[in-house]
Amino acid sequence: DSGVTQTPKHLITATGQRVTLRCSPRSGDLSVYWYQQSLDQGLQFLIQYYNGEERAKGNILERFSAQQFPDLHSELNLSSLELGDSALYFCASRRGRNTGELFFGEGSRLTVL
Amino acid sequence: AQTVTQSQPEMSVQEAETVTLSCTYDTSESNYYLFWYKQPPSRQMILVIRQEAYKQQNATENRFSVNFQKAAKSFSLKISDSQLGDTAMYFCAFMSLGDDKIIFGKGTRLHILP
Repeated sequence: DSGVTQTPKHLITATGQRVTLRCSPRSGDLSVYWYQQSLDQGLQFLIQYYNGEERAKGNILERFSAQQFPDLHSELNLSSLELGDSALYFCASRRGRNTGELFFGEGSRLTVL
Repeated sequence: AQTVTQSQPEMSVQEAETVTLSCTYDTSESNYYLFWYKQPPSRQMILVIRQEAYKQQNATENRFSVNFQKAAKSFSLKISDSQLGDTAMYFCAFMSLGDDKIIFGKGTRLHILP
């Protein structure tokens, strides 16, 4: 158990809908990262937050947004969903801004029909 | 921008053999971290080993070791006495100390055959 909690584990929805994925980082971790992994592909970096502030942005679509709350949990919002958004979405956390390795949650598997 | 390249999409070896997975990266920075992560069929991402660029000594974790060649920007993973449980996708990852991004390669799918 990495200590990172993601909900929901599985989500099935229709095109055009909006979903919210939630992540609770390890206790004491201030940095939260979001990654997208499409079927049998690598991990695409989406966005990173540190102590509530956005620190780095990757290949995140404009239809997607995220935030980190004062209690350090984070949410990834995906809207106007398309079939191609079907993927495993990982949240990961680490202690500081640029120290140490990432600890990953089990992922949220999103299926868009 | 930093890039991470894993040139072997898929590999298969017999149980108990030694296997080496390749990873090269591109950066202009001198201080950074490198990681190998394992993703078994369960899809959980598990850290295998880490290497700080300022350390010349190669990292080792039990049966897993790396060959870190900083000048060549190469970071290969060696798995000794491979076991069936080593079957997984392996990702190489790069983290600079000046940038908050952590970039992953596309992965190498490793099959350990009985």
